[in-house]
Amino acid sequence: GIQVEQSPPDLILQEGANSTLRCNFSDSVNNLQWFHQNPWGQLINLFYIPSGTKQNGRLSATTVATERYSLLYISSSQTTDSGVYFCAVGGGAQKLVFGQGTRLTINP
Amino acid sequence: NAGVTQTPKFRVLKTGQSMTLLCAQDMNHEYMYWYRQDPGMGLRLIHYSVGEGTTAKGEVPDGYNVSRLKKQNFLLGLESAAPSQTSVYFCASSTYRKGADEQFFGPGTRLTVL
Repeated sequence: GIQVEQSPPDLILQEGANSTLRCNFSDSVNNLQWFHQNPWGQLINLFYIPSGTKQNGRLSATTVATERYSLLYISSSQTTDSGVYFCAVGGGAQKLVFGQGTRLTINP
Repeated sequence: NAGVTQTPKFRVLKTGQSMTLLCAQDMNHEYMYWYRQDPGMGLRLIHYSVGEGTTAKGEVPDGYNVSRLKKQNFLLGLESAAPSQTSVYFCASSTYRKGADEQFFGPGTRLTVL
């Protein structure tokens, strides 16, 4: 099955800093999503991005499907950005395989 | 729209007890999924359904059963709960259309088996 690796596993930053989170996957995919899991455990959809680039406010994402990776950029971090960021990819039947996540801590 | 809802939010069971988790979606999605999340890990697929009356196994199906009697509902059953099933359970739904098959998740059910 598809393997998904996220890096770094942990990231600690000061408020206002920028960050880049990476997701590598082992096979071609037709679905890729980024999620933010907040401290209350809720999964929030950030991007649906099987290919190309998208931006939403301070967040943007790029997926290079031919090279099997995706990047999530967070600019001007705020403490509310803290939590775990998951990349999930789908191969067949829309089933998602999740990475282990990147735990982001933004200190004031 | 409520999106995806899950009932209950929390539950504590004793080993050997049974229970059913209910997932409901109001987006008219064809596909529905059950995942579990263990501490410090990503979600893993338990079972999924591509339409009313159909179900299929995911990555970690043992010890669980599911039913999809109505398009908007997807039930997850534990017949004889074990401590290894202590986890947070998430339900999700999506359309079948490629290019628009973004999955949307419910708030989760935290289950503890003693």
